[in-house]
Amino acid sequence: AQKITQTQPGMFVQEKEAVTLDCTYDTSDQSYGLFWYKQPSSGEMIFLIYQGSYDEQNATEGRYSLNFQKARKSTNLVISASQLGDSAMYFCAIPGGGYQKVTFGTGTKLQVIP
Amino acid sequence: EAQVTQNPRYLITVTGKKLTVTCSQNMNHEYMSWYRQDPGLGLRQIYYSMNVEVTDKGDVPEGYKVSRKEKRNFPLILESPSPNQTSLYFCASSPAGTGGWQFFGPGTRLTVL
Repeated sequence: AQKITQTQPGMFVQEKEAVTLDCTYDTSDQSYGLFWYKQPSSGEMIFLIYQGSYDEQNATEGRYSLNFQKARKSTNLVISASQLGDSAMYFCAIPGGGYQKVTFGTGTKLQVIP
Repeated sequence: EAQVTQNPRYLITVTGKKLTVTCSQNMNHEYMSWYRQDPGLGLRQIYYSMNVEVTDKGDVPEGYKVSRKEKRNFPLILESPSPNQTSLYFCASSPAGTGGWQFFGPGTRLTVL
C-alpha cells in the first residue's frame, strides 16, 4: 500500500521569498509517479506538477519545482518568489500499482505574508 | 470547455434519506474517481473506475455505492447517509486512463443531520 506523509500542517512565507513544502512517501512499486495539487480557499483542486520515479531530472513548472530524492523517498515542492495567490493548501499524492488507487497526504496550508 | 461537473454543489439532508451526487465529464476520460475531504485527513479515495462497468474500492468505500454505465458519468450513491458522511466530496477524471494526473470537479459539500 502507498503512504504519503506531509509533516507541515501550516507554514508562513514572506512574499517574494522561496518556500519548501515537504512530502515523504512509501511505496512498493518500482515505477511510480508523484503529484502535487493546490487547493486555494475557493476550494477547487488544481494539478501543479508531476515527478516520475525514473525521471533523471527534477520536475519544473514555472515557479514550481520538485526536489526529488528517491533514496530518501521524498519529493519536496519548492515555490520560488512566493506570491499572495500562492496562499493555499498543497497536497502531495501517489497512485498505486498500475496507477489506479491514489493516496493523498494530509496537506500543508501555506500562507504568504505581504 | 473541458470540465468535470458535480451536482448538487451543496446539500443538507437527514440521516437515512438516500441521495445521489452526480458527476459528469466531457473530456472522454476513461478513469474517474470519488474522494472525500475532511479536515486534517486530506483527501481519501472512496471508489474509482478504470472504464465503463469497471469499478473498484478505494480506501473508504463503506456506506457508498457507485456505478459507471456510461463513460462520462460516475454517480456517487449514499443509500442511508449518516452524520459521519458529512464531508466535502470531489469527483475527478484522468485523461491517461489511470489515476495519475487528475482533473477535479468543483466539489459537493454534504451535511447529514
